[in-house]
Amino acid sequence: DGGITQSPKYLFRKEGQNVTLSCEQNLNHDAMYWYRQDPGQGLRLIYYSQIVNDFQKGDIAEGYSVSREKKESFPLTVTSAQKNPTAFYLCASSIGDRGSQPQHFGDGTRLSIL
Amino acid sequence: DQQVKQNSPSLSVQEGRISILNCDYTNSMFDYFLWYKKYPAEGPTFLISISSIKDKNEDGRFTVFLNKSAKHLSLHIVPSQPGDSAVYFCAASLFGNAGNMLTFGGGTRLMVKP
Repeated sequence: DGGITQSPKYLFRKEGQNVTLSCEQNLNHDAMYWYRQDPGQGLRLIYYSQIVNDFQKGDIAEGYSVSREKKESFPLTVTSAQKNPTAFYLCASSIGDRGSQPQHFGDGTRLSIL
Repeated sequence: DQQVKQNSPSLSVQEGRISILNCDYTNSMFDYFLWYKKYPAEGPTFLISISSIKDKNEDGRFTVFLNKSAKHLSLHIVPSQPGDSAVYFCAASLFGNAGNMLTFGGGTRLMVKP
């Protein structure tokens, strides 16, 4: 079945440590996105990529980095510069970049600080 | 400043009755509006969308209404079923030079009682 796979489902980070969240899609979608959700809040855009080898910052990119070396993969690194990383992280993809082409989401990774 | 707001954090409805979820926005440049449904520990699932040039879109038990003059949209679920119990997010799309950007509301938790 086609879909978006995020791993791991749960992740723990020590102070000063970088961690990388995986996102893979086999939908042949061009565009991919990373969102963060905090308790009781909506989703906020961290980074997005419209094509391979290209990505742009979203609303809250500070302390995060991404890469898009393959169409199927869009990993997110939470760096030690992100002072409040505890959140639920969601990856999404869409076939194109029009509003009429809805974004489809993975099941998320919950990141916590040890 | 929140551009998309869902002012009701929760809503409780009896099974078989109508559920009405509301969403307000401030940016008149949004070109598409979408509703997503989210269960705990899962990613949001796309439900229904509406173009800014329309005022109604229907898909089975789900109907979305758009009132551009009031900058307001609503999702109607008729009849409501216990399986509809979830958090519902409205999102607005703004297509600009950088592609499809989604802005999410904070979500409304719907509880459908048997």
